[in-house]
Amino acid sequence: AQSVTQLGSHVSVSEGALVLLRCNYSSSVPPYLFWYVQYPNQGLQLLLKYTTGATLVKGINGFEAEFKKSETSFHLTKPSAHMSDAAEYFCAVSSNSGNTPLVFGKGTRLSVIA
Amino acid sequence: DADVTQTPRNRITKTGKRIMLECSQTKGHDRMYWYRQDPGLGLRLIYYSFDVKDINKGEISDGYSVSRQAQAKFSLSLESAIPNQTALYFCATRPADGGSTEAFFGQGTRLTVV
Repeated sequence: AQSVTQLGSHVSVSEGALVLLRCNYSSSVPPYLFWYVQYPNQGLQLLLKYTTGATLVKGINGFEAEFKKSETSFHLTKPSAHMSDAAEYFCAVSSNSGNTPLVFGKGTRLSVIA
Repeated sequence: DADVTQTPRNRITKTGKRIMLECSQTKGHDRMYWYRQDPGLGLRLIYYSFDVKDINKGEISDGYSVSRQAQAKFSLSLESAIPNQTALYFCATRPADGGSTEAFFGQGTRLTVV
């Protein structure tokens, strides 16, 4: 079975500060990992994903994440927070066979303080 | 037009009523999913379908049923709605390509059971 743990249900940063959202996964097979963002009153939008290859993955809006197999982690970072980054962020995992649905973490709400 | 369309977008219904949430997609994907979002609980899988003849229960299927009318259509029914089914419901699609492609989400249906 696969699972995702997102540490911190709410993270607050100052505008211009580093954003770090934590995600740890559990999977018995090599995983595919995803980060989604949900802006208020909207659906989920893909930020970035790791499937194979380079472990540092760059996404939209200046976000990136690094897959660390030894730590079973896929933390999301952005060097400088912007007010528009305020949203809810979800980490998700699926198997590399494609036969399992995405399993989501409980989400982290990011607040950005001016 | 959106690739994944959910109707209705908002619905208020009474306890005990039957309600259907509909999802249609133009992405040509075989795999479709229904998730439920509750504050602090993230997205939880209700049902999923790998093709028209393949329906599978997710982690929280009790009280729900689904119908895959065509490749493009996947509906979710609440046979007798109860207040704790008040939530935001998302439909998603994904191609059968081995899992490296992300899921694509609709805009969500906000359901309130009174």
